[in-house]
Amino acid sequence: DTAVSQTPKYLVTQMGNDKSIKCEQNLGHDTMYWYKQDSKKFLKIMFSYNNKELIINETVPNRFSPKSPDKAHLNLHINSLELGDSAVYFCASSPFGAGGPGDTQYFGPGTRLTVL
Amino acid sequence: DQQVKQNSPSLSVQEGRISILNCDYTNSMFDYFLWYKKYPAEGPTFLISISSIKDKNEDGRFTVFLNKSAKHLSLHIVPSQPGDSAVYFCAARSGSNYKLTFGKGTLLTVNP
Repeated sequence: DTAVSQTPKYLVTQMGNDKSIKCEQNLGHDTMYWYKQDSKKFLKIMFSYNNKELIINETVPNRFSPKSPDKAHLNLHINSLELGDSAVYFCASSPFGAGGPGDTQYFGPGTRLTVL
Repeated sequence: DQQVKQNSPSLSVQEGRISILNCDYTNSMFDYFLWYKKYPAEGPTFLISISSIKDKNEDGRFTVFLNKSAKHLSLHIVPSQPGDSAVYFCAARSGSNYKLTFGKGTLLTVNP
């Protein structure tokens, strides 16, 4: 009964390829997020969707495109992969999307992307 | 520009003693702070939080202290247990902004 799940867990690919990472949450939450943890270990937000609407879009390359088919799913598609895209990508969800005290974010297990 | 800083990359304590993890922030707009715990190959899990209207919040063995004037918060774990060994992330948020800003994390090792 995984609350926030991501697939795949590991992804190894060549430069220039296009890949997708999928995220699903079964918590009934309204808001979902994508974070990137780079080699320096910082967790940085990339995108957030609230009820399928994009609400946070940090400065990330256009090669990254999130897609939310419904509020339980938030997928991340990456075009023309580069070496610098190698990182661990975490999906998260939160119940209210209002940023209030109860709006704790729950994280998935992460997807380790390695670009060769 | 690191708005949330965890200056100690690692901390080692003996089982049964107190662990104190520190976090500093620079953005005075932050008004809600969280601690997350992360085991290897897993995602971060929420541990405890505190609103800026409080200076202390306690949950079992975990207590978070907030010093707004110093822009400093700390997480105390008493008593420390080997299962507490993990990376601890401090995070902060302002108002109704969804965005969490994380520190770099502190690796806590609790030795039996």
